[in-house]
Amino acid sequence: AIQMTQSPSSLSASVGDRVTISCRASQGITNDLGWYQQKPGKAPKLLIYSASNLQSGVPSRFSGSGSGTDFTLTISSLQPEDFATYYCLQDYNYPRTFGQGTKVEIK
Amino acid sequence: EVQLLESGGGLVQPGGSLRLSCAASRFTFSSHTMYWVRQAPGKGLEWVSAISGSGDSTNYADSVKGRFTISRDNSKNTLFLQMNSLRVEDTAVYYCAKWSTMVRGVIRTDYGMDVWGQGTTVTVSS
Repeated sequence: AIQMTQSPSSLSASVGDRVTISCRASQGITNDLGWYQQKPGKAPKLLIYSASNLQSGVPSRFSGSGSGTDFTLTISSLQPEDFATYYCLQDYNYPRTFGQGTKVEIK
Repeated sequence: EVQLLESGGGLVQPGGSLRLSCAASRFTFSSHTMYWVRQAPGKGLEWVSAISGSGDSTNYADSVKGRFTISRDNSKNTLFLQMNSLRVEDTAVYYCAKWSTMVRGVIRTDYGMDVWGQGTTVTVSS
């Protein structure tokens, strides 16, 4: 199975900060990667698909980049509603695998 | 509004069985691959299983292979997860999710899990 490694596992940031989360695949997955946001007690929400495409309705401060094994989720200016846990998911093959998550907390 | 609604969770003893259901509404259910994803208390997301729109192709995480069976009834717009030989480590919130794909000619675009249910809690304990 492809292993997905996210970093950092958590971070503290202030409103307005630029935040970057990384996800590395154990083998090349072309651009078959999505990013999901989850708030406590809620179901995850799709943010980015195919590594860099913004899901409909998601604010443009979210962006994704990368291909092959290294991917990045960037929040250009952190807003209060962005404090949550973020997960990457590879859909290159089965079994699908998530990263372990990155918790974004208020500084 | 497109919606998924899980049911069937509960408390079960180790070695027991449980069947989860996920009722879909307001989209063409049979056109979409469907997923089960779980989250143990305080832990991250774990993909569990997937089934194609027609139901003829299924995939499982190694952790549940041989114990869980995914199925669907397209006439009733319902997804199922039959869970047998349950273990304490299967305790989790189980989510169903719709996978979106668009095919235009020879180009296929996978959008990901764009609709999720609210989750149903499974507790395996003696």
